Amino acid sequence: EVQLVESGGALVQPGGSLRLSCAASGFTFSDHYMDWVRQAPGKGLEWVGRSRNKANSYRTEYASSVKGRFTISRDDSKKSLYLQMNSLKTEDTAMYYCARNILMDALDVWGQGTMVTVSS
Amino acid sequence: YVLTQPPSLSVAPGKTASITCGGNNIGSKTVHWYQQKPGQAPVLVIYYDNDRPSDIPERFSGSNSGNTATLTINRVEAGDEADYYCQVWDDGDKDHPIFGGGTKLTVL
Repeated sequence: EVQLVESGGALVQPGGSLRLSCAASGFTFSDHYMDWVRQAPGKGLEWVGRSRNKANSYRTEYASSVKGRFTISRDDSKKSLYLQMNSLKTEDTAMYYCARNILMDALDVWGQGTMVTVSS
Repeated sequence: YVLTQPPSLSVAPGKTASITCGGNNIGSKTVHWYQQKPGQAPVLVIYYDNDRPSDIPERFSGSNSGNTATLTINRVEAGDEADYYCQVWDDGDKDHPIFGGGTKLTVL
């Protein structure tokens, strides 16, 4: 079964850091681009960033709202994707999803999400 | 690039729901659609304008032309009640997914 499982969400103070993980199973993780998407409570979907695959040099891209604060990495040997979040702001409060990216940014498999709350 | 969706749409069971997604010359872009039920992760229901994943019912279809993309749900069922998001692949200088604001479909 193709599956993504996120973990690492927590309550953190403004200015703090957090690292999210996404464990993949049931498919060849190394072949795929992988994305992070977030959803603030009661709001719509917002793309956070992407890790390209090895064939594309693991290049990463980020939304302007997180660029310079968030870093995406991956470990293909562990079939895992990571999101390092630094200098967190209250507006980063959201459910964070990882998703498998197939051709032309169709996100065909999503995890169940992990909740990040930034509050003092 | 901005995608505009109606915030809400109400349809009676058995009728057809047409959810629109407006964008400048969106017909030249590739559009995907997601369904999200309360408390659940989004699910891809239409990709590459009008392709369906194998586990999505044939009642779901998509079209894309000019300045409007449309998700059509025929013979609407109570289980179709959800938020629906359109998304395009921006292959321009941004090169990242862009989501519409979402449409809440209510089945009367």
